[in-house]
Amino acid sequence: KNQVEQSPQSLIILEGKNCTLQCNYTVSPFSNLRWYKQDTGRGPVSLTIMTFSENTKSNGRYTATLDADTKQSSLHITASQLSDSASYICVVSDRGSTLGRLYFGRGTQLTVWP
Amino acid sequence: DARVTQTPRDKVTEMGQEVTMRCQPILGHNTVFWYRQTMKQGLELLAYFRNRAPLDDSGMPKDRFSAEMPDATLATLKIQPSEPRDSAVYFCASALGTSGSPQETQYFGPGTRLLVL
Repeated sequence: KNQVEQSPQSLIILEGKNCTLQCNYTVSPFSNLRWYKQDTGRGPVSLTIMTFSENTKSNGRYTATLDADTKQSSLHITASQLSDSASYICVVSDRGSTLGRLYFGRGTQLTVWP
Repeated sequence: DARVTQTPRDKVTEMGQEVTMRCQPILGHNTVFWYRQTMKQGLELLAYFRNRAPLDDSGMPKDRFSAEMPDATLATLKIQPSEPRDSAVYFCASALGTSGSPQETQYFGPGTRLLVL
């Protein structure tokens, strides 16, 4: 069964600290993996998209890694800010079609405290 | 500042009523997605269109849900009849896609919060 599991479910960190969010998947075949940030009451915003051949991609203070062999991805946030408080969602696409079928993680709720 | 717009932002209706949600994709984008998000299920893809043609609606309950793109600037999601379990936030997203490309960035709208009583 194709699944995407994210951990931890929730996380609280102090402003300025780093943190790492995990995404493990069993989706096969694999096309790409996306990380989204969703602020409360708003739509998700794309942070990174990685294909099979990419093992790291950065977007400002956000760095995503992908290990396609172990089917694991992580999202590392450096020097966290209050505005990083949000839900972070991992989405994996297979190669069933042009877009691929999408498999969604349940998200990690990050809270950054001052 | 190009963005996806959705109307209405909030909708409260009674069970059995028809609900129509509208989405205006970013001008020039040729791919439109409809998602549903609930606390219980998280984010789910309902359907998506490319160049106004439906490509995949396997995530959508066929008996009561329908999605259309009357033109390139408007996508609609209709529920008839609505049920309390349809209560959720419905997001529209658009992307500029090329056939075969798996790396399109999707831009989400603010969502329509639907409550069916």
